[in-house]
Amino acid sequence: GQQLNQSPQSMFIQEGEDVSMNCTSSSIFNTWLWYKQDPGEGPVLLIALYKAGELTSNGRLTAQFGITRKDSFLNISASIPSDVGIYFCAGQDAGGTSYGKLTFGQGTILTVHP
Amino acid sequence: NAGVTQTPKFRILKIGQSMTLQCAQDMNHNYMYWYRQDPGMGLKLIYYSVGAGITDKGEVPNGYNVSRSTTEDFPLRLELAAPSQTSVYFCASSYPAGGLGGTGELFFGEGSRLTVL
Repeated sequence: GQQLNQSPQSMFIQEGEDVSMNCTSSSIFNTWLWYKQDPGEGPVLLIALYKAGELTSNGRLTAQFGITRKDSFLNISASIPSDVGIYFCAGQDAGGTSYGKLTFGQGTILTVHP
Repeated sequence: NAGVTQTPKFRILKIGQSMTLQCAQDMNHNYMYWYRQDPGMGLKLIYYSVGAGITDKGEVPNGYNVSRSTTEDFPLRLELAAPSQTSVYFCASSYPAGGLGGTGELFFGEGSRLTVL
């Protein structure tokens, strides 16, 4: 099956620092998404990317869809304590019969020290 | 708007027992999914459905069964529970934007935490 490699696996940062995480794939995706999971909750969508090369921002979050369609990154600027959680990248298969299925990365656990 | 509702939130099973995890969505979404989440492994797709009466296997279907008799409900059945099925299970739904590709925006429930002892 497809593999998504997400790095880093965990990050410990000070409040106010910027954060960067990325995902690489062995195959092409036509959609990249970034989700955040708070403790005891389900993942919630942060940013969706639909075009190769696309750069999208959502407040302090910025994500890019790699030009090769095999990678994506997420940046968080000026981190705050509520940014704590697990961040997942997810790719949606290219092709018309994907039925919305997503392949997820392993997740990045973010800890922010006040 | 409730979104995706999963029950139960927590359950402990003995080896060999069976149970059903319930999932309901009120967003009139065609597509529904079951994922399991294990530490450090991300989310793995168990089964999915593109509409009432239509289901298909995902990446890790062994030991599970599903049915989709209505648009709203997508229960996941565990037969003969094993310790390897200890996990957090997430149900999700989405609506196709057009064609068969979907929007990619899955809406998740809060999860069902299952322990098999």
